[in-house]
Amino acid sequence: EPEVTQTPSHQVTQMGQEVILRCVPISNHLYFYWYRQILGQKVEFLVSFYNNEISEKSEIFDDQFSVERPDGSNFTLKIRSTKLEDSAMYFCASSERKVSRETQYFGPGTRLLVL
Amino acid sequence: GESVGLHLPTLSVQEGDNSIINCAYSNSASDYFIWYKQESGKGPQFIIDIRSNMDKRQGQRVTVLLNKTVKHLSLQIAATQPGDSAVYFCAALVKGEKLTFGTGTRLTIIP
Repeated sequence: EPEVTQTPSHQVTQMGQEVILRCVPISNHLYFYWYRQILGQKVEFLVSFYNNEISEKSEIFDDQFSVERPDGSNFTLKIRSTKLEDSAMYFCASSERKVSRETQYFGPGTRLLVL
Repeated sequence: GESVGLHLPTLSVQEGDNSIINCAYSNSASDYFIWYKQESGKGPQFIIDIRSNMDKRQGQRVTVLLNKTVKHLSLQIAATQPGDSAVYFCAALVKGEKLTFGTGTRLTIIP
């Protein structure tokens, strides 16, 4: 069964450093998403991406964040200058169509720890 | 906006019994709801969804009920098994692509 994959599974970085989290969505999916989950808290939407541009973003997704689809398979989330409060699990998701007609499938997540 | 909350942070059920996990949402314009299961160290896994034009939907051992009048939905798991132990989230969508998640209920199946 096709699945969303994410790398790395764990990332430790120093505050102020840049990190890039990588995702390979399911191959025939057209909509891509990033969510984060701070330890013990709910999953929070960050951004959705379609047709090579951001289609929706939350207030969490400020200028420190960016997303890119550099090739036909990868979808990345970059955090330019990490802060302690960026420590969280980051989940990538993809869907074949808009979520109102098709559900999103989540990857296993990248656990980011900012020291 | 939308806020979604679950009624109980934890729930313990005897193996073989049925379990019910409840969720409330705030925005009456929410038109699509999903239940996710999250096992330790893994991403949310789709269980079942329901659109606002329905009040009940059944899957394999799971049933979702939607009561739009009181903005409440529930997930029923029949004949629970040890593998059902996980955190369960409901999520709501209000026209668009942003899913709003609840805080989660940790379901523990007691052997």
